[in-house]
Amino acid sequence: QKEVEQDPGPLSVPEGAIVSLNCTYSNSAFQYFMWYRQYSRKGPELLMYTYSSGNKEDGRFTAQVDKSSKYISLFIRDSQPSDSATYLCAMRIRAGGTSYGKLTFGQGTILTVHP
Amino acid sequence: NAGVTQTPKFRILKIGQSMTLQCTQDMNHNYMYWYRQDPGMGLKLIYYSVGAGITDKGEVPNGYNVSRSTTEDFPLRLELAAPSQTSVYFCASSYGRSVSYEQYFGPGTRLTVT
Repeated sequence: QKEVEQDPGPLSVPEGAIVSLNCTYSNSAFQYFMWYRQYSRKGPELLMYTYSSGNKEDGRFTAQVDKSSKYISLFIRDSQPSDSATYLCAMRIRAGGTSYGKLTFGQGTILTVHP
Repeated sequence: NAGVTQTPKFRILKIGQSMTLQCTQDMNHNYMYWYRQDPGMGLKLIYYSVGAGITDKGEVPNGYNVSRSTTEDFPLRLELAAPSQTSVYFCASSYGRSVSYEQYFGPGTRLTVT
């Protein structure tokens, strides 16, 4: 079983739709949860970061973490064609000691928002 | 700041050839990483470094080597290239004392081994 599972899609939605992207994980030691966005032929860039359970909102984006279910989500409201990209979830254990901030990534979901 | 830069952008290698992928960061980050990304497979960690002179293996180190003689540079060496090493390679860096350990990625090197 992979530590982090993410539906690779592809996901195609019309402009203005609400998009839900999800990851499940098996390692209960994960405490930091991130979403990276990767445009075609570019490197990933951090979109959102949350610690432990709860919600975090940033503009049209909301990240949600449910540690009891080992499930994280990213919601995009009023999706735009410029949101078309691959979205990667990533997570890590609490830093400290010999930890080096190692991230475990999901496979990535390819999202296309068409006008 | 240029951030994380990688060279070359593209490369085609023949089986058995060797090459070095270059990575430089100008953010004074102490942590640096090399990943490979295959279609539909996410990012796999090859090697990482927590500071100059300190490197260690990640998930998929076989066929690769690294060195870290300065804070800024973290080259990845491919010896005896094989078709299985065809991939997109990303270098990343992070500031180890940051709570988020946010990793900043370079633009990638697309490598084809034929």
